[in-house]
Amino acid sequence: GQNIDQPTEMTATEGAIVQINCTYQTSGFNGLFWYQQHAGEAPTFLSYNVLDGLEEKGRFSSFLSRSKGYSYLLLKELQMKDSASYLCAVMDSNYQLIWGAGTKLIIKP
Amino acid sequence: IAGITQAPTSQILAAGRRMTLRCTQDMRHNAMYWYRQDLGLGLRLIHYSNTAGTTGKGEVPDGYSVSRANTDDFPLTLASAVPSQTSVYFCASSDSESTDTQYFGPGTRLTVL
Repeated sequence: GQNIDQPTEMTATEGAIVQINCTYQTSGFNGLFWYQQHAGEAPTFLSYNVLDGLEEKGRFSSFLSRSKGYSYLLLKELQMKDSASYLCAVMDSNYQLIWGAGTKLIIKP
Repeated sequence: IAGITQAPTSQILAAGRRMTLRCTQDMRHNAMYWYRQDLGLGLRLIHYSNTAGTTGKGEVPDGYSVSRANTDDFPLTLASAVPSQTSVYFCASSDSESTDTQYFGPGTRLTVL
């Protein structure tokens, strides 16, 4: 079966750094996406990785290791507005997105 | 209109009733998708359409039907609603069905009693 695992909830302090991990087992791999979802709102796109390595985009970076079936999202200089759920999704061999349940990130002052 | 719109925003429905959730996009995207999101579970694909005139079944299609008469609209119909269909429904679109980013509508919160 296809499976995406990520922690249910994480807590971090404003101004700090947090790393949200995602491991996956899917039929085929056509890239990994990270989305941010604030409570009661739609998911919004953060990053896409298809090759191994680190992609940096401002305060957010995403890493991929295809051989390990592993990715992480790194958030630096945390702000209160970063309190949200972070969704990991893998595009399988049929070009369908398989979604993790999301990691709820709580930022404390 | 800018992006994707969904209607209604929320709805309470009696079991057994028919309901159509509307989705419209103005980005001229070829591919569109319907997902449901339930607490503790990831988004699950209900139906998709790679281009106008074609549709396909996702992971959880039972009890739902879709149509794609034109590029912009992708309605989702529940023929006879059941309480297990209580969920938040998101419509999304992408330029193509491949690795293009999917953009989401604001969602419809549906409660079936």
